[in-house]
Amino acid sequence: RKEVEQDPGPFNVPEGATVAFNCTYSNSASQSFFWYRQDCRKEPKLLMSVYSSGNEDGRFTAQLNRASQYISLLIRDSKLSDSATYLCRTGNQFYFGTGTSLTVIP
Amino acid sequence: NAGVTQTPKFQVLKTGQSMTLQCAQDMNHEYMSWYRQDPGMGLRLIHYSVGAGITDQGEVPNGYNVSRSTTEDFPLRLLSAAPSQTSVYFCASSYQGNSREQYFGPGTRLTVT
Repeated sequence: RKEVEQDPGPFNVPEGATVAFNCTYSNSASQSFFWYRQDCRKEPKLLMSVYSSGNEDGRFTAQLNRASQYISLLIRDSKLSDSATYLCRTGNQFYFGTGTSLTVIP
Repeated sequence: NAGVTQTPKFQVLKTGQSMTLQCAQDMNHEYMSWYRQDPGMGLRLIHYSVGAGITDQGEVPNGYNVSRSTTEDFPLRLLSAAPSQTSVYFCASSYQGNSREQYFGPGTRLTVT
């Protein structure tokens, strides 16, 4: 099993919708988690770090479920500018998931 | 701060040629790593370094060499380029290891013909 797994999507949602992605991880000892955003042909940039149960930043919420070993990213009131690929990583390794593609449609 | 810089931005090689992808960071980060990204494959770890003089292999190390003689620089060497190494290469650095967020360079787009 891979260290980190993500649903590749694509997720196509209308503007204003709420969308959630999950990222499952295999190492139960993981203590920190990261969501990155990657725009087409650009480098990944940190969106959110999670060191406890979750984190919230404006329209973005990350929730950690240790029992089921996944971390979710919730985006509320989706904007066209949220269209990107979202990558997750656990803190005990340098390995990333394959990323989830989101397209927000007008 | 310039952050993480990578050169060149684009490169075309012929099969069998060698080259070095440069990566430098000015944030005094201990940890640096190299990834390649192919369509549908996400970021795959090639090599990483936990400090000057210390390197280790990632998921896909074959065909690549690294060294870390200074904290700032972490070059990636392709010894004999193959078409399978056509990819986008990203360098990243972090403070205090993999439990902290990484900062990425802008990437090098490599094509091997």
